[in-house]
Amino acid sequence: GENVEQHPSTLSVQEGDSAVIKCTYSDSASNYFPWYKQELGKRPQLIIDIRSNVGEKKDQRIAVTLNKTAKHFSLHITETQPEDSAVYFCAASQGGYQKVTFGTGTKLQVIP
Amino acid sequence: DVKVTQSSRYLVKRTGEKVFLECVQDMDHENMFWYRQDPGLGLRLIYFSYDVKMKEKGDIPEGYSVSREKKERFSLILESASTNQTSMYLCASTPAGGSLGEQFFGPGTRLTVL
Repeated sequence: GENVEQHPSTLSVQEGDSAVIKCTYSDSASNYFPWYKQELGKRPQLIIDIRSNVGEKKDQRIAVTLNKTAKHFSLHITETQPEDSAVYFCAASQGGYQKVTFGTGTKLQVIP
Repeated sequence: DVKVTQSSRYLVKRTGEKVFLECVQDMDHENMFWYRQDPGLGLRLIYFSYDVKMKEKGDIPEGYSVSREKKERFSLILESASTNQTSMYLCASTPAGGSLGEQFFGPGTRLTVL
């Protein structure tokens, strides 16, 4: 089955700096890669996703890149703010009636 | 707004008890999922369902069962609770289309098994 590895497990950055979280996946049939943000005590929420026919997607300060050949994808957050502090999860799926496999999470701390 | 609710935020049970965790979504979603969340292990899929009365095993189904008698309700059952099932349990749902698209999560149930 699919295996998603996520690094780093913790990340501290100064406010205004960029943060990068990286994930690798094992199943070349995976074609959908969402990212979720979970603030302390709250439920995970989708922040951005990408499909395999696209190499990069941006939404304001957040971007995701996908390298299908290398089977890795990354989340980039620019101009970080204290409210970006949370746990971020990457995930991979083949779509259709297949399950979504999540990474182990990255705890991001943005230091004011 | 999609609303996914879970029957309890906190639950304390004793070893060997039968435990029911209920999840209800009000947006007519076809697909529902149960995860457990543990520090350092992320979200691990226990069971999922793409239709009423249908269920599929996830990555860690051992010790759990599920029931989906109605479209809006997906129940997770611990037949005989054990201490290693102490965890945060999250339910999620998605509209038609299978696993593509946003999963809408419930608030979670923190289960402690003594």
